[in-house]
Amino acid sequence: GQQVMQIPQYQHVQEGEDFTTYCNSSTTLSNIQWYKQRPGGHPVFLIQLVKSGEVKKQKRLTFQFGEAKKNSSLHITATQTTDVGTYFCAGGGSNYKLTFGKGTLLTVNP
Amino acid sequence: DAGVIQSPRHEVTEMGQEVTLRCKPISGHDYLFWYRQTMMRGLELLIYFNNNVPIDDSGMPEDRFSAKMPNASFSTLKIQPSEPRDSAVYFCASRGGGNYNEQFFGPGTRLTVL
Repeated sequence: GQQVMQIPQYQHVQEGEDFTTYCNSSTTLSNIQWYKQRPGGHPVFLIQLVKSGEVKKQKRLTFQFGEAKKNSSLHITATQTTDVGTYFCAGGGSNYKLTFGKGTLLTVNP
Repeated sequence: DAGVIQSPRHEVTEMGQEVTLRCKPISGHDYLFWYRQTMMRGLELLIYFNNNVPIDDSGMPEDRFSAKMPNASFSTLKIQPSEPRDSAVYFCASRGGGNYNEQFFGPGTRLTVL
């Protein structure tokens, strides 16, 4: 079945440093979604990418979808303490299921 | 809109007991998903429904797990009998129709089986 690998598993940064998490799928994806889960909370949708090579920005967050639609990345510029949480990518296939990566836990030292 | 509602928020039970988790999706959403989250395995899809019909239950770990959706506004996930390895956070999520829509997650039920 479809597998989605996400690295790194953990990332600790100083406030103001940049952060990137990477996602790779074993199969070509129809779309990829990104979610954020704060400690003790539930996953919350951030964005969806559909097109090959697509790049989207949300303030300090930049999301990319690879040309082959098998990989994606999330980059945060100048992290803040409010960015703390686990970031998940989720790959969508031909059905309506999402396969979630295991997430990257980001901690930020103020 | 109240969002996805789950109950109970926390459940502590003893091995062998029956556990029932409940979910109310967002009104108008026709897809409902049950997930289990653990440190070891991450966020796993157990089963999902479309228009109250189970579409894919390949993620249900074993026969001890069952899920129902008797109507568009209610779903249950039942574990009988429960085992300590079932301890996890169980999330319900819903989404609307269309090809690429986000999933809205409920607050989750933290289950501890002693």
